[in-house]
Amino acid sequence: GEDVEQSLFLSVREGDSSVINCTYTDSSSTYLYWYKQEPGAGLQLLTYIFSNMDMKQDQRLTVLLNKKDKHLSLRIADTQTGDSAIYFCAEMGNRDDKIIFGKGTRLHILP
Amino acid sequence: DTGVSQNPRHKITKRGQNVTFRCDPISEHNRLYWYRQTLGQGPEFLTYFQNEAQLEKSRLLSDRFSAERPKGSFSTLEIQRTEQGDSAMYLCASSLVGGYTEAFFGQGTRLTVV
Repeated sequence: GEDVEQSLFLSVREGDSSVINCTYTDSSSTYLYWYKQEPGAGLQLLTYIFSNMDMKQDQRLTVLLNKKDKHLSLRIADTQTGDSAIYFCAEMGNRDDKIIFGKGTRLHILP
Repeated sequence: DTGVSQNPRHKITKRGQNVTFRCDPISEHNRLYWYRQTLGQGPEFLTYFQNEAQLEKSRLLSDRFSAERPKGSFSTLEIQRTEQGDSAMYLCASSLVGGYTEAFFGQGTRLTVV
């Protein structure tokens, strides 16, 4: 079945760039997403990329997609304390349109 | 429209009792998803609907779980004979089929089985 893997923790100094990585198994994925979840809050869609794109940039966020390796990354430039959250990678398959999530990467910001 | 609405936000129930949660999607959205999230885990897919048709049900969903979307608008998720392992956040999302489909999530219903 489909699977999405990501590392569980990342610590970054304030002002540095954060890079969160994700791998997925479904070669038919059409959309890949990054969601943010702050403590006690719901899931917020940060950005997405269509599977025929290699890169997408949106202000401080850059998404890179390597479809051959089924690897997705999210780069947050100039990381701020407000970026502290859990970041979920997710993919939507072409066959069934259900969205499958990874376990999330907890981003910790060091002063 | 204020987005996806879930009720109740919190539910505490005794083991063995039945519980029902409600999700009101964004009004024009024809697809509705249910997920379960436990502490330290990502949302796990449970089931989803297109209009009133239930398209898929995860193997995670035992026979004690049932979901409906009778008129293609709101949906209910019922858990019968709750167990402590059912304690989790139950999330609902909705989207519009066709073109780019962003799924909007509700705030969730937190279930605690004691």
